[in-house]
Amino acid sequence: RKEVEQDPGPFNVPEGATVAFNCTYSNSASQSFFWYRQDCRKEPKLLMSVYSSGNEDGRFTAQLNRASQYISLLIRDSKLSDSATYLCVVNKGNYQLIWGAGTKLIIKP
Amino acid sequence: DAGVIQSPRHEVTEMGQEVTLRCKPISGHNSLFWYRQTMMRGLELLIYFNNNVPIDDSGMPEDRFSAKMPNASFSTLKIQPSEPRDSAVYFCASREQGHEQYFGPGTRLTVT
Repeated sequence: RKEVEQDPGPFNVPEGATVAFNCTYSNSASQSFFWYRQDCRKEPKLLMSVYSSGNEDGRFTAQLNRASQYISLLIRDSKLSDSATYLCVVNKGNYQLIWGAGTKLIIKP
Repeated sequence: DAGVIQSPRHEVTEMGQEVTLRCKPISGHNSLFWYRQTMMRGLELLIYFNNNVPIDDSGMPEDRFSAKMPNASFSTLKIQPSEPRDSAVYFCASREQGHEQYFGPGTRLTVT
């Protein structure tokens, strides 16, 4: 079993819809969590950190469920520009970032 | 802020040749990471430096790969000899302790 697992997708979603991804992790000692976004042929860029209390940034909401060991990303009112691959990242401690393989999202007009 | 700088952006070379990838981290960042990304294997950490010292190189595929960080503003990843299976995008990333990583634009390597 991989340490961090994501549904690879692709998720094909109509513009304006709400879409949610989950990411599960296996190490209960994991300390911090992030969502990165990667556009085609570009580098990953930080979308948002995930806090225990959950956090929201505009149309994006991230949540952490430590009991079930997963994090989620919710995108409301999706835009064409949201099309990308979303990478879940788990920090086990110090530098040990474990990357999911990513979930591909395609927003259709 | 110029961000993480990598060169070259693209490299095409023949099997057996030496390849050197370069990275300049963001000024003030004390950690540097080299990653490799392929469709099959996703994003893989190759090596991590902290304060210019290699901390974990367990991700380096084999002895053909080597990395150095002679000072806080420069790192290299070398492949000698290169093989077709080394074809991938190689990313360098840097960060301040406890903060998120910032990635460079990557070097797209093709070994024929």
